Amino acid sequence: GPKVLQIPSHQIIDMGQMVTLNCDPVSNHLYFYWYKQILGQQMEFLVNFYNGKVMEKSKLFKDQFSVERPDGSYFTLKIQPTALEDSAVYFCASRQGGAEQFFGPGTRLTVL
Amino acid sequence: QQKVQQSPESLTVSEGAMASLNCTFSDGTSNNFRWYRQHSAKGLEVLVSIFSDGEKEEGRFTAHLNRANLHVSLHIREPQPSDSAVYLCAVSGSNNRIFFGDGTQLVVKP
Repeated sequence: GPKVLQIPSHQIIDMGQMVTLNCDPVSNHLYFYWYKQILGQQMEFLVNFYNGKVMEKSKLFKDQFSVERPDGSYFTLKIQPTALEDSAVYFCASRQGGAEQFFGPGTRLTVL
Repeated sequence: QQKVQQSPESLTVSEGAMASLNCTFSDGTSNNFRWYRQHSAKGLEVLVSIFSDGEKEEGRFTAHLNRANLHVSLHIREPQPSDSAVYLCAVSGSNNRIFFGDGTQLVVKP
């Protein structure tokens, strides 16, 4: 089936640094999502993005977070600066026009 | 805000015995229900999607939806050790925002 790729699979950084998580969505998909899953907890919605804009975001999407997809390349989640509580697995998803979201394998972010 | 709860938290079954997982949700206007499987260090694998009351079968996986009771279940026929994983219930509405349950850890013993 369609595959969403995420790069890197694991990122370790020091608190206060900037990090960019990359998502390579399915090629003809138009809607993009980030979800956050803290170890042992529920996966939770962060943000969705369409036509170059944030359409909806949750309270977890702090001011330090930003998303973009410049020129149809990677859909990115940037965190600047990072905090300890940002340690989690971040999942990217994309969909075309229908409701089915296709998920990537996740990026495990560890903030020291 | 939508609340999605799964039970049991963990389930151990013998190979070949039926496994049944439960999920309740709070928003009765939800219209899109999926069961995903999450193997460690891998992405989500969609198992079955269901949009109307009743039953939907995909291979060995059957979902039952009862929106009046705010309940959706997953039954796994003849489970195998390779089915051991975390199973996630996902509920969404017209805005396509997905709310996930906490997951059920399934262990299938040979």
